[in-house]
Amino acid sequence: EAGVAQSPRYKIIEKRQSVAFWCNPISGHATLYWYQQILGQGPKLLIQFQNNGVVDDSQLPKDRFSAERLKGVDSTLKIQPAKLEDSAVYLCASSLPTGGYGYTFGSGTRLTVV
Amino acid sequence: AQTVTQSQPEMSVQEAETVTLSCTYDTSESNYYLFWYKQPPSRQMILVIRQEAYKQQNATENRFSVNFQKAAKSFSLKISDSQLGDTAMYFCASLNTGGFKTIFGAGTRLFVKA
Repeated sequence: EAGVAQSPRYKIIEKRQSVAFWCNPISGHATLYWYQQILGQGPKLLIQFQNNGVVDDSQLPKDRFSAERLKGVDSTLKIQPAKLEDSAVYLCASSLPTGGYGYTFGSGTRLTVV
Repeated sequence: AQTVTQSQPEMSVQEAETVTLSCTYDTSESNYYLFWYKQPPSRQMILVIRQEAYKQQNATENRFSVNFQKAAKSFSLKISDSQLGDTAMYFCASLNTGGFKTIFGAGTRLFVKA
């Protein structure tokens, strides 16, 4: 089966610019997650969708980050305006509804803000 | 609060030998899952092994096994017959079934030496 697709793989932007990441989950996975992984740290959940509804966005910096999941399938994560501290790898993952069998991750997008 | 602690930032092991990575966690839930994920350099994160908290038997997947001590809230990963391809970051993670939110530890970087 196809894995979780993410694009772009790499992105370099200047601070205060905007950027968008795209994710296509595994077919049939109802739950989609966006994680932020800063170098040397474990992933931190930004937002979790169940179908096209938000389950948890408590750690999403809503003044600059936004995310949507269109028709319960693809998802986009946007940052506007970007700050230097947003430099990180943004991981998308998907799972069956409860997540108990684990997540399937995409390859991630490495964002560098200069 | 749900927390995961990995106290070993880096470890190394000789090829063909056995290594154990440590993880402790804290949760107020009675039902939860525990996971070990592997993140090779510049590659995507993959699930290594999972454990359901209500099962006393330790999970095993080929050369990978866990030592799950529920009372001590400890969940260590043992890698037998280490191979060069095992070189990676290893993340311990927990998922409360009620919250559907997986929390990751900071990771342990494992080097397998030839």
